[in-house]
Amino acid sequence: GEDVEQSLFLSVREGDSSVINCTYTDSSSTYLYWYKQEPGAGLQLLTYIFSNMDMKQDQRLTVLLNKKDKHLSLRIADTQTGDSAIYFCAENFGGATNKLIFGTGTLLAVQP
Amino acid sequence: DTAVSQTPKYLVTQMGNDKSIKCEQNLGHDTMYWYKQDSKKFLKIMFSYNNKELIINETVPNRFSPKSPDKAHLNLHINSLELGDSAVYFCASRPTGVETQYFGPGTRLLVL
Repeated sequence: GEDVEQSLFLSVREGDSSVINCTYTDSSSTYLYWYKQEPGAGLQLLTYIFSNMDMKQDQRLTVLLNKKDKHLSLRIADTQTGDSAIYFCAENFGGATNKLIFGTGTLLAVQP
Repeated sequence: DTAVSQTPKYLVTQMGNDKSIKCEQNLGHDTMYWYKQDSKKFLKIMFSYNNKELIINETVPNRFSPKSPDKAHLNLHINSLELGDSAVYFCASRPTGVETQYFGPGTRLLVL
């Protein structure tokens, strides 16, 4: 079945790196995504990785994908207070429906 | 602005009422989605339409009825509202051939 899990909470100090982890059970996804949700706001697409890639870097963001362990991570370098938000990983299974299965979300709190 | 927009942003209503929430995208996308985010922030797909045809219908009570008058609009009508319907409802869209979905700002529904 499709199940995507994340730890609920992560607290870091400003300037440190943050690593948000995600594990999934169904490895047939085509793309995996990271979305950011600021308090009271909608979902902002941060970055994504194709399932045949191991790593993708985009400025302060690094996505690592370990297909063998079904593990996805998002590293944010030099974390700022503006990075405080809930981060969702999501799997996309492609095909006709392109259904997104979301993780449970990780609340990142950045302490000044 | 090119975007996915939703109306209303906030909706407070009594149990038993019937209400509609609307989604419009001016991105020229062919596929649109409705997601529900509950009080614990869990995000789940509800429906999807491609060119006005229903392609995803998850296990959702039949009090919820989506309607797509044209491919730029996907509305959600909810009959006999219940307390458990209180949530944030997100609309999303994507173009054909691209797997990334773009989300609206959400409609916050509170049923009293």
